[in-house]
Amino acid sequence: GAVVSQHPSRVICKSGTSVKIECRSLDFQATTMFWYRQFPKQSLMLMATSNEGSKATYEQGVEKDKFLINHASLTLSTLTVTSAHPEDSSFYICSARPIARDDNYGYTFGSGTRLTVV
Amino acid sequence: QKEVEQNSGPLSVPEGAIASLNCTYSDRGSQSFFWYRQYSGKSPELIMSIYSNGDKEDGRFTAQLNKASQYVSLLIRDSQPSDSATYLCAVNISGNEKLTFGTGTRLTIIP
Repeated sequence: GAVVSQHPSRVICKSGTSVKIECRSLDFQATTMFWYRQFPKQSLMLMATSNEGSKATYEQGVEKDKFLINHASLTLSTLTVTSAHPEDSSFYICSARPIARDDNYGYTFGSGTRLTVV
Repeated sequence: QKEVEQNSGPLSVPEGAIASLNCTYSDRGSQSFFWYRQYSGKSPELIMSIYSNGDKEDGRFTAQLNKASQYVSLLIRDSQPSDSATYLCAVNISGNEKLTFGTGTRLTIIP
């Protein structure tokens, strides 16, 4: 159980365009989802916390107008990278945890999206 | 001081030996602790979660938590080449839903 699906797995886009990444919890509900970014050989950096039905909470230094987050249901959160530039090229990963927690459930990660902006 | 610290490695261990990975954290109120494994180019996958002081075993993996020393470790017995990966320690800082990650330890199992 606790499967998180993330799409697309890989995307190449032109500079200045926008890219939407979807994160779905397949077999559980999640009021909160998390979006991370990971540059090569670095650890995960939390970008924002996505809250179902309300505004996302962004970490310091992350531009909310550039990284739009929508969490319209208990099973879906989306991250849109607007006006993408080459420096936005990175590995984006979402994470979620079931509302009903127990010791067997940690935070499950999606498979990640490799974004390349050319 | 970083909130979650790990030795970045690389750590090399012979096949069949025990690999020991360590992590310290700064917030005494932290309650949930996780070990994730991440292969190159892939997303992290949960190996172990631990919430109480002591040991928790799952197959070849044992997580150890010592809240007094603010220390959590992961032992991998009978190490296999497929265990070669980066291991991330993550902590749920008290009063906060989000996870704070260490920088990860790169483990290489030598055949």
